[in-house]
Amino acid sequence: QVQLVESGGGVVQPGGSLRLSCAASAFTFSSYGMHWVRQAPGKGLEWVAFIRSDGSNKNYADSVRGRFTISRDTSKNTLYLQMNGLRAEDTAVYYCAQDLLDWGQGTLVTVSS
Amino acid sequence: QSALTQPRSVSGSPGQSVTISCTGTSSDVGGYNSVAWCQQHPGKAPKLMTYDVTKRPSGVPDRFSGSKSGNTASLTISGLQAEDEADYYCCSFAGSYTWVFGGGTKLTVL
Repeated sequence: QVQLVESGGGVVQPGGSLRLSCAASAFTFSSYGMHWVRQAPGKGLEWVAFIRSDGSNKNYADSVRGRFTISRDTSKNTLYLQMNGLRAEDTAVYYCAQDLLDWGQGTLVTVSS
Repeated sequence: QSALTQPRSVSGSPGQSVTISCTGTSSDVGGYNSVAWCQQHPGKAPKLMTYDVTKRPSGVPDRFSGSKSGNTASLTISGLQAEDEADYYCCSFAGSYTWVFGGGTKLTVL
């Protein structure tokens, strides 16, 4: 059973930084592209970032490009999202997903002073 | 990266069929056979129901079927059941390793 467990969420002030992690298990992590998707309170899903299985290609939503960085560590079976310059509108539950097939339960990020 | 367009809500009675549409452009839905549909119950993580337009992951009932014509994709749910009541989101590959979601559709089973 594929398992994806996000961590690292919390409350941060505007302009601050957070690093989210997504620990993957029960599948060959190095074989799959991985996404971060977020959902603001009461809103719909928003695609945030993607990284290819080998980490060679990655891209971002316009709303986060230049502020967020997606990365992966195959030796640790872990996906990361480094979030800098956080804004109130980044407040959301952040999900990691394996090729959109399997999803974690999400971690809540709240940007507030 | 504009969101795909979905109806805000649809409804149907148990046993009936409903179809949810998802309209994009030739740069996303119309340009690739990489459209997926996700189901989300309140407070839960999304669940993939269909991918690559028509394919279903293992364990998803064949009551759920996807299709596409031009820039519009559709999800049809036949034999509606109470547990199908949820939010549904379409998602399309949009080139250069980017994806875009629809705004979501609330399905009510009457």
